[in-house]
Amino acid sequence: EAGVAQSPRYKIIEKRQSVAFWCNPISGHATLYWYQQILGQGPKLLIQFQNNGVVDDSQLPKDRFSAERLKGVDSTLKIQPAKLEDSAVYLCASSSTAKSTYNEQFFGPGTRLTVL
Amino acid sequence: AQSVTQPDIHITVSEGASLELRCNYSYGATPYLFWYVQSPGQGLQLLLKYFSGDTLVQGIKGFEAEFKRSQSSFNLRKPSVHWSDAAEYFCAAAGTASKLTFGTGTRLQVTL
Repeated sequence: EAGVAQSPRYKIIEKRQSVAFWCNPISGHATLYWYQQILGQGPKLLIQFQNNGVVDDSQLPKDRFSAERLKGVDSTLKIQPAKLEDSAVYLCASSSTAKSTYNEQFFGPGTRLTVL
Repeated sequence: AQSVTQPDIHITVSEGASLELRCNYSYGATPYLFWYVQSPGQGLQLLLKYFSGDTLVQGIKGFEAEFKRSQSSFNLRKPSVHWSDAAEYFCAAAGTASKLTFGTGTRLQVTL
């Protein structure tokens, strides 16, 4: 079974530029998550999708961050314009919606963003 | 507010020595508890999880963790550490909404 795919793996941009990250979840997983992991901190949830609908985006800085999951499969996270404090690893995860106590999240390798 | 605390930022152990990584949580009710490992340039890999039942849970790579309700703790242990265990370890918790809250992580260094 293929895992969660993310691209690019690394990105360096100047502040005020825009950037986009792509995530392809595990086949059949209806739930998709984007996390931000700043150096020295644990991952923080930015947004959660269930199919193509947003479940939780309470910690997404909506003035500069946007995300979409068209057709309920792939997802794109965009930052426009980027700030220095956006330098972080952006992790994508997915989980199934099978009826169980808890649906395990499977993580991709992440995209490391450096904003200069 | 819900939180997960990992008091040790960095731990160094010798190969073959035992390991214990600490984790404390603050939740309204007993959450689901997890330990993840992250190697450089890699995503997070689930080591083990606790939902209910036996308070000592076994995971992959020889790791185990013990849930102690009275101490709100979920410490990770390994009897004998291997050099390949060097990585960042994250404790996490989730309520019924399945939203994960992570600790700040403990970086494990293994000396030969």
